[in-house]
Amino acid sequence: EIVLTQSPATLSLSPGERATLSCRASQSVSSYLAWYQQKPGQAPRLLIYDASNRATGIPARFSGSGSGTDFTLTISSLEPEDFAVYYCQQLSTFGPGTKVDIK
Amino acid sequence: EVQLVQSGAEVKKPGESLKISCKGSGYSFTSYWIGWVRQMPGKGLEWMGIIYPGDSDTRYSPSFQGQVTISADKSISTAYLQWSSLKASDTAMYYCASTGTDAFDIWGQGTMVTVSS
Repeated sequence: EIVLTQSPATLSLSPGERATLSCRASQSVSSYLAWYQQKPGQAPRLLIYDASNRATGIPARFSGSGSGTDFTLTISSLEPEDFAVYYCQQLSTFGPGTKVDIK
Repeated sequence: EVQLVQSGAEVKKPGESLKISCKGSGYSFTSYWIGWVRQMPGKGLEWMGIIYPGDSDTRYSPSFQGQVTISADKSISTAYLQWSSLKASDTAMYYCASTGTDAFDIWGQGTMVTVSS
């Protein structure tokens, strides 16, 4: 079974800063990796699928990269609404999440 | 509009049975897998299992195999998650979500299940 590790657990940044979130798989998953955003009291929202494809309606400030075992979600310039928890997923496994909070 | 609408919150006692639902609309329900995801209070997301409503092909996470049953009624575009005997540890938010690729692109609003004596 594939295990996903996300780092850091918490990222404290200010609006306008760049956020870089990491997801590492215990074995190669090719490009089959997705990223989700979850805000308190809301269902998760798909941001990125197949490692680098933005889902419908997702702003261009969100980008994904990587393949094999190492993946990155980048938010180029944080907006106030971007402070949330971010999860990576590979098919039947979710990572533990990275919380992006306001510094 | 493509959407998944889940049944309402439930409060149950340990040992009771429960079936929650997820109704799809605005798309071909039988052509996309639907999965169930658990989120315990204050915790992360856990993939429980997935069903293809077209032929009811179902896959379970080893962690949930035998603990829950996933089913679907394609005639009414509805997927289900059920328990035969609830435990306090089943207290969680449960989401259904559909996948057209290898990711869940449409999510239901969630169903809160509380199990308490």
